[in-house]
Amino acid sequence: AQTVTQSQPEMSVQEAETVTLSCTYDTSENNYYLFWYKQPPSRQMILVIRQEAYKQQNATENRFSVNFQKAAKSFSLKISDSQLGDTAMYFCAFMNDGGSNYKLTFGKGTLLTVNP
Amino acid sequence: ETGVTQTPRHLVMGMTNKKSLKCEQHLGHNAMYWYKQSAKKPLELMFVYNFKEQTENNSVPSRFSPECPNSSHLFLHLHTLQPEDSALYLCASSQITLNTEAFFGQGTRLTVV
Repeated sequence: AQTVTQSQPEMSVQEAETVTLSCTYDTSENNYYLFWYKQPPSRQMILVIRQEAYKQQNATENRFSVNFQKAAKSFSLKISDSQLGDTAMYFCAFMNDGGSNYKLTFGKGTLLTVNP
Repeated sequence: ETGVTQTPRHLVMGMTNKKSLKCEQHLGHNAMYWYKQSAKKPLELMFVYNFKEQTENNSVPSRFSPECPNSSHLFLHLHTLQPEDSALYLCASSQITLNTEAFFGQGTRLTVV
């Protein structure tokens, strides 16, 4: 079974600075997908960024980028130029390449607070 | 607006009550899911429906009963719940292809008293 570990329950950062959220996972599969989701106080889970395991290039989405280290099974999220609206719970998630046998496994989350 | 709507947003029910949570997706997806989100725990996948057929029941107690009448609607029927069932219940949908993410509703905050 896959597991996803987020070792930082809470983090804080000053507005406009950069912060990195950690995520590690465990799997025996070779092809899979990784995601970072954001859950603001409104509770809406919103996809931030995704990475295909077969791609070596790290995914980037505006101020959000990942450092994907497949051998180390590490998938960290970097938020540049942090904004107050980035305050939220951030969840790392793993999805197997199972076609119709879908499984999306989440970590426990990291509560990020951006301070003015 | 993400295309996945859940009602009600909040629900308080007694342990002997029967209630239902509703989820509707307007994204044309063919798979729908129920997740349970409890404090200090990872999101727990409860049920998966692909093309209206249940393909996953993640050892969920029978007091939770899902129903998927069509690919756009998903229900979670609740009866004789326990206080530890209090949680945020999230519905999600996706298109069953490779490299697809799940789209979530805003959840129903359930409190069992």
